Amino acid sequence: GAVVSQHPSWVICKSGTSVKIECRSLDFQATTMFWYRQFPKQSLMLMATSNEGSKATYEQGVEKDKFLINHASLTLSTLTVTSAHPEDSSFYICSASDPLNTIYFGEGSWLTVV
Amino acid sequence: LAKTTQPISMDSYEGQEVNITCSHNNIATNDYITWYQQFPSQGPRFIIQGYKTKVTNEVASLFIPADRKSSTLSLPRVSLSDTAVYYCLVGGFMDTGRRALTFGSGTRLQVQP
Repeated sequence: GAVVSQHPSWVICKSGTSVKIECRSLDFQATTMFWYRQFPKQSLMLMATSNEGSKATYEQGVEKDKFLINHASLTLSTLTVTSAHPEDSSFYICSASDPLNTIYFGEGSWLTVV
Repeated sequence: LAKTTQPISMDSYEGQEVNITCSHNNIATNDYITWYQQFPSQGPRFIIQGYKTKVTNEVASLFIPADRKSSTLSLPRVSLSDTAVYYCLVGGFMDTGRRALTFGSGTRLQVQP
């Protein structure tokens, strides 16, 4: 199946700093990508829909100024957690739809804010 | 968005067939039904997707009745490595392609030796 890759797999950052997570579709172009977060033993929660060349659409309750999403090309979307705090520590997962309309997910990125 | 309901957990033994049923009573006409498998600390892995009737691939079968208000994922001869959380999702389209999938709680499958 299609491959969606995230980088980094895990990252530790200091409270107050910003951290960027990349999501790439390796073998197809994705007009739209999706960002989720998942806390331990919970299900995935949709954060935002990333649209290539336009602004992201955020779900209710997700701060757009804190979670900056950029989708500058058809194969890359980035999520930047700005001024990170310990409560932002979570598992962040992206996904994208391939040309056959199947949604694939990345491997996920663990963020720990200390 | 169509809501899905599936059992919270299931237990099975190695070599058995496992069937996980999901209900989605308010599925829309253009919604697909997709099942994913998730291991701890990994992103969900695509298993199978269908629209109606039966779909089969190398790892599973998906049965969808005519009214499409439910679906059943069938895993033949499970092994210990199939212990995971299984998610049933339904989702359709928007102008730019597939609409985002909304996750329910999933079914935690535990396979015993």
